[in-house]
Amino acid sequence: EPEVTQTPSHQVTQMGQEVILRCVPISNHLYFYWYRQILGQKVEFLVSFYNNEISEKSEIFDDQFSVERPDGSNFTLKIRSTKLEDSAMYFCASRVEGGYNSPLHFGNGTRLTVT
Amino acid sequence: SQELEQSPQSLIVQEGKNLTINCTSSKTLYGLYWYKQKYGEGLIFLMMLQKGGEEKSHEKITAKLDEKKQQSSLHITASQPSHAGIYLCGADRTGANSKLTFGKGITLSVRP
Repeated sequence: EPEVTQTPSHQVTQMGQEVILRCVPISNHLYFYWYRQILGQKVEFLVSFYNNEISEKSEIFDDQFSVERPDGSNFTLKIRSTKLEDSAMYFCASRVEGGYNSPLHFGNGTRLTVT
Repeated sequence: SQELEQSPQSLIVQEGKNLTINCTSSKTLYGLYWYKQKYGEGLIFLMMLQKGGEEKSHEKITAKLDEKKQQSSLHITASQPSHAGIYLCGADRTGANSKLTFGKGITLSVRP
């Protein structure tokens, strides 16, 4: 069964450094998402992406964050200058169509630790 | 934003027992999704409910959507240790490309 894959599974970085989290969504999916989950808290929406542009972003997704689909398969989340509070699990998700017709399929996440 | 309250917050049951967990929305539900998460892992899609009164089953898990109450329930029959994990409900707003907003999740432990 096709799945969303994320790399790396764990990333440790120093405060102020840039990180890029990578995702390969399911191949025929058109809508892409990043979520994060701080330890012990809710899964929170960061950003959605469709047709090579951001569709929606949350208050969390400030100027330090950016997303890109550099080729036909990868979807990346960049954090320009990491802060301690960016430590969290970051989940990539994709769905084949928008609206309430199809579920989001999630990757296994990247655990980001900022020291 | 869509607020989803899940109850109870956590649940411990003896293997073989039935259980029900709930998800209540403060706004109209257009699509309700149930996911399961093992600690430190990704979210696994369980079921999607779209219409009021809709009920779906997969193996020993049944989910229902009560549109009037803006509530969904998830029922597990004859629980097993493999059912342990965090159950999250997610809701859709209307429109294309809408994000899912999630509740805090319910932690289920099943005692052998």
